[in-house]
Amino acid sequence: EIVMTQSPATLSVSPGERATLSCRASQSVSSNLAWYQQKPGQAPRLLIYGASTRATGIPARFSGSGSGTEFTLTISSLQSEDFAVYYCQQYNNWPQTFGQGTKLEIK
Amino acid sequence: QVQLVESGGGVVQPGGSLRLSCAASGFTFSSYGMHWVRQAPGKGLEWVAFIRYDGSNKYYADSVKGRFTISRDNSKNTLYLQMNSLRAEDTAVYYCAKVPGVYGDNDAFDIWGQGTMVTVSS
Repeated sequence: EIVMTQSPATLSVSPGERATLSCRASQSVSSNLAWYQQKPGQAPRLLIYGASTRATGIPARFSGSGSGTEFTLTISSLQSEDFAVYYCQQYNNWPQTFGQGTKLEIK
Repeated sequence: QVQLVESGGGVVQPGGSLRLSCAASGFTFSSYGMHWVRQAPGKGLEWVAFIRYDGSNKYYADSVKGRFTISRDNSKNTLYLQMNSLRAEDTAVYYCAKVPGVYGDNDAFDIWGQGTMVTVSS
């Protein structure tokens, strides 16, 4: 099973600043990597798939990069609605696996 | 619009059974692979099971293999998860989710339901 490790566990950033979240895979997942946002009491929402392609309706301030084992989600200028938990997921191999999440909180 | 609505959650004793349903609307259900994903209270996401668009292929997480069965009825636009021999560690919100591509297999999840809570407790 591929283990996905996200860092940091919690990230404190001020509104308007940039946030950079990391995700590392225990073996290569090519570009088969997705990012999700989850707010309390809600289902996750797909942000990025294919490591760098924004899903439908996702603002341009969200961008993804990386391939192989190292991936990054960048939020260029944080808005109040962006404070949430973010998960990466690999879908290169079965079983699909998620990272443990990064909580993005207001500084 | 595209929508997934789960139902069937509840409280069940250890060793008991439960069947979850996921009603799909707004898209051609029979053309899309479907997943179940769960989230224990205060924890992260865990993939549970996948079924191909035509039901011909299924995959399970090791933690549920042999106890859970994923199935679908394309005539009813409904996905199911039969859960047997339930354990306390199966307590979670269970989400159904679809893959984005027609006839897609191993892929991300573009649409999620709102989830249904399963509590395994005596």
